[in-house]
Amino acid sequence: DIQMTQSPSSLSASVGDRVTITCRASQSISGYLNWYQHKPGKAPQVLIYAASGLQTGVPSRFSGSGSGTDFTLTISSLQSEDLATYYCQQSYSSPLTFGGGTKVEIK
Amino acid sequence: QLQLQESGPGLVKPSETLSLTCTVSSGSISSSSYCWGWIRQPPGKGLEWIGNLCYSGSTYYNPSVKSRVTISVDTSKNQFSLTVNSVTAADTAVYYCARRVAVAAYWYFDLWGRGTLVTVSS
Repeated sequence: DIQMTQSPSSLSASVGDRVTITCRASQSISGYLNWYQHKPGKAPQVLIYAASGLQTGVPSRFSGSGSGTDFTLTISSLQSEDLATYYCQQSYSSPLTFGGGTKVEIK
Repeated sequence: QLQLQESGPGLVKPSETLSLTCTVSSGSISSSSYCWGWIRQPPGKGLEWIGNLCYSGSTYYNPSVKSRVTISVDTSKNQFSLTVNSVTAADTAVYYCARRVAVAAYWYFDLWGRGTLVTVSS
């Protein structure tokens, strides 16, 4: 199985801050990397697919980059509604696997 | 807008069978463009993919649960289901159903249900 490692596991930032979350795969997954946002009590939603593709309807402050084993999710200007846990997920090979999550809190 | 809703018992006894249903509303489950899947999250742990069922009828399961899991579809009810046999406390989790879509060769889960907690306990 491909192991996905996210860092940090949690962070606290102020509104307007630039936030970066990283995800590392245990082997190369090319660009087969997705990012999800999960707010408490709500359905998870996809933010980024194929490493850098912005899902329709997702604000442009979210962006993704990377290829191979190292990937990044960036929130260019953190908003209060971005309070959530963020997960990466590889779709390169079965079984599909997720990172452990990054909990984003607002200072 | 298409929505997914999980349903099923919240409490299952050890060694028994867990059965959940995902109802697809405001859209058809019978599309060759999608696969339908289940993901779970044990308390305090990360997300674990359980498996997918695609329009072709093909199913794909995580080897960690493959021997105990079945995903099936009922197109007449616009539902798909998850069955897990011989459950233990390790199967306690929030279970999510989701739709899987592809852009070119890149698959991802574009719609999810809110999840339902299933506790395995006597």
